[in-house]
Amino acid sequence: KQEVTQIPAALSVPEGENLVLNCSFTDSAIYNLQWFRQDPGKGLTSLLLIQSSQREQTSGRLNASLDKSSGRSTLYIAASQPGDSATYLCAVGNNNDMRFGAGTRLTVKP
Amino acid sequence: NAGVTQTPKFRVLKTGQSMTLLCAQDMNHEYMYWYRQDPGMGLRLIHYSVGEGTTAKGEVPDGYNVSRLKKQNFLLGLESAAPSQTSVYFCASSYPDPQHFGDGTRLSIL
Repeated sequence: KQEVTQIPAALSVPEGENLVLNCSFTDSAIYNLQWFRQDPGKGLTSLLLIQSSQREQTSGRLNASLDKSSGRSTLYIAASQPGDSATYLCAVGNNNDMRFGAGTRLTVKP
Repeated sequence: NAGVTQTPKFRVLKTGQSMTLLCAQDMNHEYMYWYRQDPGMGLRLIHYSVGEGTTAKGEVPDGYNVSRLKKQNFLLGLESAAPSQTSVYFCASSYPDPQHFGDGTRLSIL
């Protein structure tokens, strides 16, 4: 059974800092990996999707990497802003079965 | 463009009552999903559909039924609600990736 772990559970940083969120998974036989953002009381917004054949994806200040052999992914956020405050979830997909981590709650202080 | 719309947004039920949650998407997506999100846990897949008239079980299907009579709609039913089904329910759709989420339905079973 695929298990997805995100560390840390919560993170607080000052504005402008670069930061890394971690995601680990137990079964390397994955189809893809997604990073999502969730604001309080809202649904999930897809940030980056990495296919199993890819090593990384970039969108603006966000960069996600994937290392299937070690069962790890990282989400790098450059020059963090207060508007980046949210919960970030990673999800590992295998066909139609997507398994989510519990998320990292990020607070960026002005 | 509404995306994925879930109704109702909030509901309180008594144990043993039944209800149906409605998910509608206007993106012509083939795939639709129902998840539940509980405190401290990631989202867990209840049921999913890969096309009109098809449904399949996810990770936690017990106590729920689904139907996909029209491509744009995916219904989640609780036949006899139990307190353990108190949760936030999210619907998502995709073609097949990435998944687009609704804002959720907060359901409390007393």
